[in-house]
Amino acid sequence: AQSVSQHNHHVILSEAASLELGCNYSYGGTVNLFWYVQYPGQHLQLLLKYFSGDPLVKGIKGFEAEFIKSKFSFNLRKPSVQWSDTAEYFCAVRGLGDYKLSFGAGTTVTVRA
Amino acid sequence: GAGVSQSPRYKVAKRGQDVALRCDPISGHVSLFWYQQALGQGPEFLTYFQNEAQLDKSGLPSDRFFAERPEGSVSTLKIQRTQQEDSAVYLCASSGGLTSYEQYFGPGTRLTVT
Repeated sequence: AQSVSQHNHHVILSEAASLELGCNYSYGGTVNLFWYVQYPGQHLQLLLKYFSGDPLVKGIKGFEAEFIKSKFSFNLRKPSVQWSDTAEYFCAVRGLGDYKLSFGAGTTVTVRA
Repeated sequence: GAGVSQSPRYKVAKRGQDVALRCDPISGHVSLFWYQQALGQGPEFLTYFQNEAQLDKSGLPSDRFFAERPEGSVSTLKIQRTQQEDSAVYLCASSGGLTSYEQYFGPGTRLTVT
């Protein structure tokens, strides 16, 4: 069975600070990896995804993530956060050829103006 | 419609009542998923439909949970004899294809069982 671990439950930052959220997964095969974001009062939206190729993927709103296969990690980064980045962030994994997503518990990010 | 819609957005049920939660996927989307999100947790898979066929219901927590998608579009998740532990947000997602497609999520239905 797949499992996803997100290291931080709650992160508090000031505007312009850099953000890095950790995500590790356990799965014995090839995976597709995702980061979803849920802004206050809104539904889950896809930030970025990795299927294959360049392990450094860029998503919307200046976010990027790096897949490190040897570490089973897919960490999310943003060089300079804004107040509008306040949200809950979820890492998710799907085995290649599978259909269901396995999510981490989420990280709440609060950006102080 | 432009996205996945769910109704009702909020539901309060007394313990023992039956509830029905509706999902309208994006038009033409073949795949439909239900997830359960408990407070402070990530979504957990409940069940998966490909068109009208329920191909996986391994995540349904008990036989009180039942889902259907009779015409391959709208889906209903039914919970019979609700219990307090059923309190959660129920998310519906749809995707245009099978395994390689992005899942688009609806706003969820927050179920509170009192």
